[in-house]
Amino acid sequence: QQPVQSPQAVILREGEDAVINCSSSKALYSVHWYRQKHGEAPVFLMILLKGGEQKGHEKISASFNEKKQQSSLYLTASQLSYSGTYFCGTLGGADGLTFGKGTHLIIQP
Amino acid sequence: SQTIHQWPATLVQPVGSPLSLECTVEGTSNPNLYWYRQAAGRGLQLLFYSVGIGQISSEVPQNLSASRPQDRQFILSSKKLLLSDSGFYLCAWNRALEQYFGPGTRLTVT
Repeated sequence: QQPVQSPQAVILREGEDAVINCSSSKALYSVHWYRQKHGEAPVFLMILLKGGEQKGHEKISASFNEKKQQSSLYLTASQLSYSGTYFCGTLGGADGLTFGKGTHLIIQP
Repeated sequence: SQTIHQWPATLVQPVGSPLSLECTVEGTSNPNLYWYRQAAGRGLQLLFYSVGIGQISSEVPQNLSASRPQDRQFILSSKKLLLSDSGFYLCAWNRALEQYFGPGTRLTVT
């Protein structure tokens, strides 16, 4: 089943913070986060494997609440380069990913 | 280091024509390989995956097929394209659960 992402879109000014949520109706063993720029392939950001795990990449971090079957992606002091569509993914057959519909993030100067 | 290639980068094909998209991976052996499609303005949908030569699993019924003739080669095909086959086709491979995408092929069916 497809994970559910919220919000669908976010518009921020440079330097502001954002949170993107990802939840699933089935048990989660891992959550995968990607960013996709317009016209390009998605780029791997991070994977969270354990409940309660938190990771960081530049000023982007994520948490994973296994009990609540959800993950959140935090973007701190956003930069123009953070613009794009963010996808969360959950594992399926042979480790193929089922992705959410994406969250469009627009950063304005 | 590992790299993944896809070609062609863009393709315009008429309805009813055949299709062949190729994906190759370098720098690794026996990878799991995946084909995804992204329709315009939509999310990513897993189409096929392969855990080895000749082993193909389909995630959704459709007008497409996949083959893996060599360890590091994955091919997506169709005998007759439909308008609904238009989209951005992405090949991917796994490294310890981390999945990496190729540059993609943008297919427009006219």
